Amino acid sequence: GAVVSQHPSRVICKSGTSVKIECRSLDFQATTMFWYRQFPKQSLMLMATSNEGSKATYEQGVEKDKFLINHASLTLSTLTVTSAHPEDSSFYICSARDSWRDASSYNEQFFGPGTRLTVL
Amino acid sequence: AQTVTQSQPEMSVQEAETVTLSCTYDTSESNYYLFWYKQPPSRQMILVIRQEAYKQQNATENRFSVNFQKAAKSFSLKISDSQLGDTAMYFCAFMRAGNMLTFGGGTRLMVKP
Repeated sequence: GAVVSQHPSRVICKSGTSVKIECRSLDFQATTMFWYRQFPKQSLMLMATSNEGSKATYEQGVEKDKFLINHASLTLSTLTVTSAHPEDSSFYICSARDSWRDASSYNEQFFGPGTRLTVL
Repeated sequence: AQTVTQSQPEMSVQEAETVTLSCTYDTSESNYYLFWYKQPPSRQMILVIRQEAYKQQNATENRFSVNFQKAAKSFSLKISDSQLGDTAMYFCAFMRAGNMLTFGGGTRLMVKP
């Protein structure tokens, strides 16, 4: 099956610093990747859609200047949390979609294992 | 906008018995996909089962089956012969245009020995 990795699996940083999270599709190409945020005992909330070679599309209420997304290649998307604060502490999950199918047809999303971010 | 509602925050079942998790959704679209995902303590999201809205036949995957009622916008998951490894959070999800997923609030299932 398709594999998506995330790095790091967990990170602890000081308030005010920036943290970069990587999402990689290991055995397929992904023109589109998705970033989710999950608070403890809650559901996944879509933050943004990352498109290879173009700007990300952010969901309403998500600060694009705080959560910078770069999708520079068909196998890598990065999420940078800038000037992190304790309220940014959360579990961040990415997913990737096979790129050979067009957007109008069904494409299974393959999920990464997640990154736990703790901001002190 | 689509909404997905799971009305059971927590459920428990005895090992080997059957349990049904409920899910309702709201959409104005006619063609879409519905999913059940499992999130065990490792927090890795695992696809359990998928249903295409244009198919009337309910999807089945081994011990997992769904009851899809399109008119009622209901999509329940039945787990037969429950196993200890089924203990997890279960999320119902709706896939809209652009392949974006909207998740329900989740149901925590505990399988008791």
